[in-house]
Amino acid sequence: DAKTTQPPSMDCAEGRAANLPCNHSTISGNEYVYWYRQIHSQGPQYIIHGLKNNETNEMASLIITEDRKSSTLILPHATLRDTAVYYCIVSGYNQGGKLIFGQGTELSVKP
Amino acid sequence: DAGVIQSPRHEVTEMGQEVTLRCKPISGHNSLFWYRQTMMRGLELLIYFNNNVPIDDSGMPEDRFSAKMPNASFSTLKIQPSEPRDSAVYFCASSLVAGIPPPQETQYFGPGTRLLVL
Repeated sequence: DAKTTQPPSMDCAEGRAANLPCNHSTISGNEYVYWYRQIHSQGPQYIIHGLKNNETNEMASLIITEDRKSSTLILPHATLRDTAVYYCIVSGYNQGGKLIFGQGTELSVKP
Repeated sequence: DAGVIQSPRHEVTEMGQEVTLRCKPISGHNSLFWYRQTMMRGLELLIYFNNNVPIDDSGMPEDRFSAKMPNASFSTLKIQPSEPRDSAVYFCASSLVAGIPPPQETQYFGPGTRLLVL
């Protein structure tokens, strides 16, 4: 199964862009990259997903490298409410449709 | 929609007692997931259902755990007998559909049940 590697923690200044990296060097061709986040004491929340192309929605942008071995989640203007644990997940046929959460990156947005 | 509803939100029980956690998925969602979260092991998928049928229960830790989904709007996770190591936050999530082919439908999580077994 493809696995992901994320830094355990990161800081970001409020109003600045937060760039969260994720390595998934063993990703297979049919596997997608998903990002969820978990704000303290709440259930995880979906952010975005992608296969090959870069993706953008109202919450964030996802940049996937051409070889698909890594990706970056970008929160363009981080706010204090973006403080959370961010999970990068690779999933597809190999996982039987399951999302397997790793340890994630704890992002602290500071004033 | 009210989102995924879980009850109780907090549960404190003594070792050996039976514990039943409840979940109401979002109306119209066909897939339901039970997760457990601890500091040591993170967020683990225990079991998921498609159209009320258990599809993958490989994450269920042992025979003390059982899950049912008698209809599309209700599921239970039961622990009998409970042990202190079962203390965790249990999340229920639902999605339109789960499984292959990808991409997976977005999973919507409930607020969780915080279980403490003394």
